[in-house]
Amino acid sequence: GAVVSQHPSWVICKSGTSVKIECRSLDFQATTMFWYRQFPKQSLMLMATSNEGSKATYEQGVEKDKFLINHASLTLSTLTVTSAHPEDSSFYICSAEGLLQETQYFGPGTRLLVL
Amino acid sequence: QKEVEQDPGPLSVPEGAIVSLNCTYSNSAFQYFMWYRQYSRKGPELLMYTYSSGNKEDGRFTAQVDKSSKYISLFIRDSQPSDSATYLCAPGNKLVFGAGTILRVKS
Repeated sequence: GAVVSQHPSWVICKSGTSVKIECRSLDFQATTMFWYRQFPKQSLMLMATSNEGSKATYEQGVEKDKFLINHASLTLSTLTVTSAHPEDSSFYICSAEGLLQETQYFGPGTRLLVL
Repeated sequence: QKEVEQDPGPLSVPEGAIVSLNCTYSNSAFQYFMWYRQYSRKGPELLMYTYSSGNKEDGRFTAQVDKSSKYISLFIRDSQPSDSATYLCAPGNKLVFGAGTILRVKS
C-alpha cells in the first residue's frame, strides 16, 4: 500500500528557533501533498496544499511567511516553522494524494513542542 | 452550518458489539466518501472509501451512504479492543474532515 513517512516524529525546540519537518511518499509519486495541524481532541485543520514545482496554496489564516512549504520533488515536501513560538506547539500531519486523486495517505505525524 | 458533523463521543461498547458511527454533511455535490481511523498520537489511516449510495463491505467494516439524506455510516462488527480509536469521516471533499468520534471497545 501507499506509505507516507514523516521526520522527525517529535521535536522539542526553544522559542524563536526554526523547525523543518519532512514528508516523503515512499512507494509512489505524489504531485500534491497536504499539511495539516491538529490540536488535542480536535479534527485536522488543513494548513496548505503543496504542489510539486510550484508555490504552496495556503488556507485562510495561515501565515505563509511563518510556515514555509517546499515541494522540491515528487516524493518530498517540507514544512518549516520559522521563529516558532509556544502557540505553534501542535501535531503536524502531512498527506500525499494517491493516484486516484480521491484519496490521500497520511504520514504518522510530527509532534512539535516549543518551549 | 458545518460542512461535516460528527458526534464526538466517546462511544464505549463491550468487545464483540456492533458499532455504528455516523456522519452528516451539507454539500450535496460530494461524490465520494471516506472513513479514516486515527490512533492516539498517530496519523489517520484510510479505512474505506466509496463512490455511491448503498453499502460497501470490507471484512468487519461496512460503509453505508445515503446521499438523499446526506448521511454516512460506518458499522464495525465483532468490535475488538484494537478498534479503539478516533474515526473521522471525510465526505467528498478530501480536505474536509469531521471532528471524529472516539470509540472505546472494552474487553
